[in-house]
Amino acid sequence: QVQLQQSGPGLVKPSQTLSLTCAISGDSVSSNSATWNWVRQSPSRGLEWLGRTYYRAKWLEDYTASAIGRIIIQPDTSKNQFSLQLSSVTPEDTAVYYCVRGWNWFDSWGQGTLVTVSS
Amino acid sequence: DIQMTQSPSSVSASVGDRVTITCRASQDIGTWLAWYQQKPGKVPKLLIYAASTLQGGVPSRFSGSASGTDFTLTISSLQAEDFATYYCQQGKNIPQTFGQGTKLEIK
Repeated sequence: QVQLQQSGPGLVKPSQTLSLTCAISGDSVSSNSATWNWVRQSPSRGLEWLGRTYYRAKWLEDYTASAIGRIIIQPDTSKNQFSLQLSSVTPEDTAVYYCVRGWNWFDSWGQGTLVTVSS
Repeated sequence: DIQMTQSPSSVSASVGDRVTITCRASQDIGTWLAWYQQKPGKVPKLLIYAASTLQGGVPSRFSGSASGTDFTLTISSLQAEDFATYYCQQGKNIPQTFGQGTKLEIK
């Protein structure tokens, strides 16, 4: 049974960097059969996939085009976790953020973190 | 990006009713489609993947089908615990995209 446990602040100031971490139990961030994703949800944008990291002989990342340049998703193999960094946030980045295991679909979700961007 | 359009955006039904929700992809995605259920304040739950394969533990009253770029989620006999919002998601291309959701409400 895979469990994903999210951590990170719920309030970020505009122009600063949003940072969240997802600790994995019951699977490995280095798995060859999964990807490790961040998805966010807001009333205005619905469910939005942000990006993923995964290991296929080397570490790879994919990001949604609208976030390229300000997003980093990276693994931490020593702690079996992965993280999200989203820089230069604005109020439009206010959302519930989920870490998610998947490949073509998403079968295990973290508990969600409401991140509010406000001064 | 592949656009996923769900209809209706909301539907009212009664316990025991048969309900169908539709999702249309803006281009061919084969059967790379999943359905999720989300209850208020809860995390989305994977119900169906590969258009018609039931995720483990999901009741058999849920089913999915595909016809070209049109996909349907059917609940054969609604139970009280099925009232929720349902989302489709395409897994063929990056970025993986979701429909806007269909809210299933009690009539």
